[in-house]
Amino acid sequence: DAKTTQPPSMDCAEGRAANLPCNHSTISGNEYVYWYRQIHSQGPQYIIHGLKNNETNEMASLIITEDRKSSTLILPHATLRDTAVYYCIVRRTRVGTSYGKLTFGQGTILTVHP
Amino acid sequence: SAVISQKPSRDICQRGTSLTIQCQVDSQVTMMFWYRQQPGQSLTLIATANQGSEATYESGFVIDKFPISRPNLTFSTLTVSNMSPEDSSIYLCSVRTSGGNTGELFFGEGSRLTVL
Repeated sequence: DAKTTQPPSMDCAEGRAANLPCNHSTISGNEYVYWYRQIHSQGPQYIIHGLKNNETNEMASLIITEDRKSSTLILPHATLRDTAVYYCIVRRTRVGTSYGKLTFGQGTILTVHP
Repeated sequence: SAVISQKPSRDICQRGTSLTIQCQVDSQVTMMFWYRQQPGQSLTLIATANQGSEATYESGFVIDKFPISRPNLTFSTLTVSNMSPEDSSIYLCSVRTSGGNTGELFFGEGSRLTVL
């Protein structure tokens, strides 16, 4: 699976949009971009995923560049409860030994402050 | 979605002993995984728990140290054998509920293990 690069930490003011970048310049055509987050002392929580089109759900929006080499997770109105580690993961869709599993990097620690 | 229950939620163990962690899901799932999260670190995949057959281990993890069972589609156990302080970690069960290649994974709350 392609490697991802994320900033180690970011800050955001409560109520503002949080834009978390992820670089995945070696991504291949059959690899999806996934975002998870882990709030302190909890298991990771799925946020969103996409292949090449932008995606939006009740939690966030995912913007993938046209060349697919980078993406941005957008939390439109960040709250204090959004303080967490955010993981950007690229995963292949093929079956076999990598089927279904995710490889986590170090992620971005997002701190939302009042 | 899936509700995942792990037991124990936390434990303190003595060096040289073994501990079995249970993972129970409220619905049948296609795949189950075990992850480890060492203090201050990200998650590392230990193995894929296969129903009715031996687990598939990632590089650096072996069956003798981390035996795994998965007797049915809703339950799995991970045993941490002959523990040392380096095994102090959070162990997380993860499941995938749908077929195909794009479904998300759901995680349990983890089992926090401290080895003295």
